[in-house]
Amino acid sequence: DVKVTQSSRYLVKRTGEKVFLECVQDMDHENMFWYRQDPGLGLRLIYFSYDVKMKEKGDIPEGYSVSREKKERFSLILESASTNQTSMYLCASSDTSGTRGYNEQFFGPGTRLTVL
Amino acid sequence: GESVGLHLPTLSVQEGDNSIINCAYSNSASDYFIWYKQESGKGPQFIIDIRSNMDKRQGQRVTVLLNKTVKHLSLQIAATQPGDSAVYFCADQTNNYGQNFVFGPGTRLSVLP
Repeated sequence: DVKVTQSSRYLVKRTGEKVFLECVQDMDHENMFWYRQDPGLGLRLIYFSYDVKMKEKGDIPEGYSVSREKKERFSLILESASTNQTSMYLCASSDTSGTRGYNEQFFGPGTRLTVL
Repeated sequence: GESVGLHLPTLSVQEGDNSIINCAYSNSASDYFIWYKQESGKGPQFIIDIRSNMDKRQGQRVTVLLNKTVKHLSLQIAATQPGDSAVYFCADQTNNYGQNFVFGPGTRLSVLP
């Protein structure tokens, strides 16, 4: 079974703090993704990575950065947390096979971040 | 821009009845679709997928129907059980290599005893 784990289930931070969200997958997947999930808005892609040390902006990258130093680990960084970054953050991974490129994504349990 | 959305934000069904959850997509180039189930406190889990060269696909108690003419996708759950209570959302992908998925906002399914 694919397993995607996230470092924290719940996190409370203060405005201006630097926040690290960690994600690890154990299936040797090439691709990893960070989403945020807000009521009524669905999943919105923040950043993704298709290889070690590679990163691409998603739909809402502002206020975030990422790091992928190892294939299995993808970190999301909030340089200076703000209240509008209070959300559920979901990490996902997928492999690259066949002709589609990005296949089915496997998700972690999510981190609910509250910024006060 | 393109978007994937759901017709209803909530759906309540009696235990044992069939459930139908709908999804509309806007990108006519989308050719791969997935339904995910997200239970409270968990990440989304894959339920079933379908490619655009099909109009129906069946799994265990679930069926996905695709109508490309009206850009509509539905998920049917047979004999709905309490464990089916969750948020369900669809995602679509275009046929460009490496294109990311677009996710809908989700429908919350509640199963009544």
